[in-house]
Amino acid sequence: EPEVTQTPSHQVTQMGQEVILRCVPISNHLYFYWYRQILGQKVEFLVSFYNNEISEKSEIFDDQFSVERPDGSNFTLKIRSTKLEDSAMYFCASKMENRVLAGGERDTGELFFGEGSRLTVL
Amino acid sequence: GQQLNQSPQSMFIQEGEDVSMNCTSSSIFNTWLWYKQEPGEGPVLLIALYKAGELTSNGRLTAQFGITRKDSFLNISASIPSDVGIYFCAGQWSSARQLTFGSGTQLTVLP
Repeated sequence: EPEVTQTPSHQVTQMGQEVILRCVPISNHLYFYWYRQILGQKVEFLVSFYNNEISEKSEIFDDQFSVERPDGSNFTLKIRSTKLEDSAMYFCASKMENRVLAGGERDTGELFFGEGSRLTVL
Repeated sequence: GQQLNQSPQSMFIQEGEDVSMNCTSSSIFNTWLWYKQEPGEGPVLLIALYKAGELTSNGRLTAQFGITRKDSFLNISASIPSDVGIYFCAGQWSSARQLTFGSGTQLTVLP
């Protein structure tokens, strides 16, 4: 079964260092996302990416964050200068497309999540 | 931003019991989704609801999209040990937009 893969599974870094988290979305998917989950808290949206550009971003996704799709398969999240509060599990997700169902409802298309990359900032 | 209130925060139940959890929102969503997250893994979709009033089942799981579009519930019948995990509701305003997640319900099933 196709899956979203993320690397590294765990990264420990010093405050102020740059971090790049990598994701390989499912190959025929068109929409890509990054979410994060601080330990014990809910999953929070960071950014969505479609057609080679950011389509939506949250307040969390400030100038320290950037995303790239450098080739046809990878989708990366870069944090330029990490802060202690960036420590979290970062989830990449992808989905195929938005479809209109027979009754006219719009199907979001299932969002597939990766297993996450745990970032620890010291 | 949109906020989802999910309750209860945690539940301890005996194997075989039924479980119910719900989410409410101060604003309308056009899609409600329920996810399960197990330790060390990402959320996995359980049920998706696209229409107000819709009641959908997936095995022992049943979820409903509230008529007001501001709430949803998830029921699990005859719980088993592998139901253990964190259950999240998520709402979506439109199909291309982000998901807003609830705070999660930690379910523990006692043998």
